[in-house]
Amino acid sequence: SQKIEQNSEALNIQEGKTATLTCNYTNYSPAYLQWYRQDPGRGPVFLLLIRENEKEKRKERLKVTFDTTLKQSLFHITASQPADSATYLCALEGAAGNKLTFGGGTRVLVKP
Amino acid sequence: SQTIHQWPATLVQPVGSPLSLECTVEGTSNPNLYWYRQAAGRGLQLLFYSVGIGQISSEVPQNLSASRPQDRQFILSSKKLLLSDSGFYLCAWSVPGDTQYFGPGTRLTVL
Repeated sequence: SQKIEQNSEALNIQEGKTATLTCNYTNYSPAYLQWYRQDPGRGPVFLLLIRENEKEKRKERLKVTFDTTLKQSLFHITASQPADSATYLCALEGAAGNKLTFGGGTRVLVKP
Repeated sequence: SQTIHQWPATLVQPVGSPLSLECTVEGTSNPNLYWYRQAAGRGLQLLFYSVGIGQISSEVPQNLSASRPQDRQFILSSKKLLLSDSGFYLCAWSVPGDTQYFGPGTRLTVL
């Protein structure tokens, strides 16, 4: 069956450092992959989308890579700030384009 | 611009009582609509999605149901709530093949 795995352990990082999160998937051939941010008690907010034919995508201090051979995406937050503290979710959508399947999320805590 | 509303924001219900959660979207036409549930500290579980009025796909067998009586209205219902129905319920919309935009969520506690 299709499976998406994110590190369930919280990532504690010092302000100014780069946070790197991993999303691994199996039994999937996703058309693209998305990353969302979720704050406690709030709905997820879309951050970045990367397509299967793209290797890397950037948005301000965020960078996403997508390796369809390794079946893995890496999400980087450079020059991290305490305001970046949140849970980050990866999600994959199949070619049909109607559904997303989410990973369990990784909580990031940036300490000043 | 598009906005998505959910209500109520919080709800405390006794076991065996009915449930109705409502989600409405403004500023777009014929969106895909989704209901998710998130247990404490867990990921999002897709419950239902809809690609049009009256078209509902169920992802997880359960005592919940969904309806889409209007293009931009999505309702989640139950006739009799279970303790296990407690959680954070999120509605989302998307244009097919695009990102999903989430509502503020409803925190449901079943006692």
